Amino acid sequence: SQTIHQWPATLVQPVGSPLSLECTVEGTSNPNLYWYRQAAGRGLQLLFYSVGIGQISSEVPQNLSASRPQDRQFILSSKKLLLSDSGFYLCAWSVFGINTEAFFGQGTRLTVV
Amino acid sequence: GEDVEQSLFLSVREGDSSVINCTYTDSSSTYLYWYKQEPGAGLQLLTYIFSNMDMKQDQRLTVLLNKKDKHLSLRIADTQTGDSAIYFCAENLMDTGRRALTFGSGTRLQVQP
Repeated sequence: SQTIHQWPATLVQPVGSPLSLECTVEGTSNPNLYWYRQAAGRGLQLLFYSVGIGQISSEVPQNLSASRPQDRQFILSSKKLLLSDSGFYLCAWSVFGINTEAFFGQGTRLTVV
Repeated sequence: GEDVEQSLFLSVREGDSSVINCTYTDSSSTYLYWYKQEPGAGLQLLTYIFSNMDMKQDQRLTVLLNKKDKHLSLRIADTQTGDSAIYFCAENLMDTGRRALTFGSGTRLQVQP
């Protein structure tokens, strides 16, 4: 069966510090991978998605970047965090096809102080 | 635009039925989805409906789709306190070529004992 791992679960970082969140998927090959952000009391905003190794699509201009160094690994990064980067970050995967039902990790609660 | 709209809050008594509504924008969406998010957790796929269907029932869950009005609803029969969560509807925007879901802002369901 497929599983998705996302870590860390919580993170408190000072403004200006770097960020690296990691997500890995097991039990499937060539998944579509996603990073979403959920601000407090709001819906999900798609940040990045990837359909293959090294292929990253960015949805919104921002202080963050994403990389996919391996087929089932997706990393969210920042060189210098801003206060506005605080939020709940969710990694997800889907299979390639018309039905893009996404399966989510447990999320990372990031607080920038 | 690419807005998926939901009401923000719904309160029901335990044992009653809950109906969560959603309007979407893209008539070319092939699948529409309902997700559940419990506090501090990722999103769990509840059910989805193919666009050529009007209704789908899965145990206590009933999904109704009105394509003419671009309206999707989720009915939860015999609502329990464990159903308290945020419910998101989502669509896949096939005509953009983007392999990702667009989510609504979520409806917080509160079940009173």
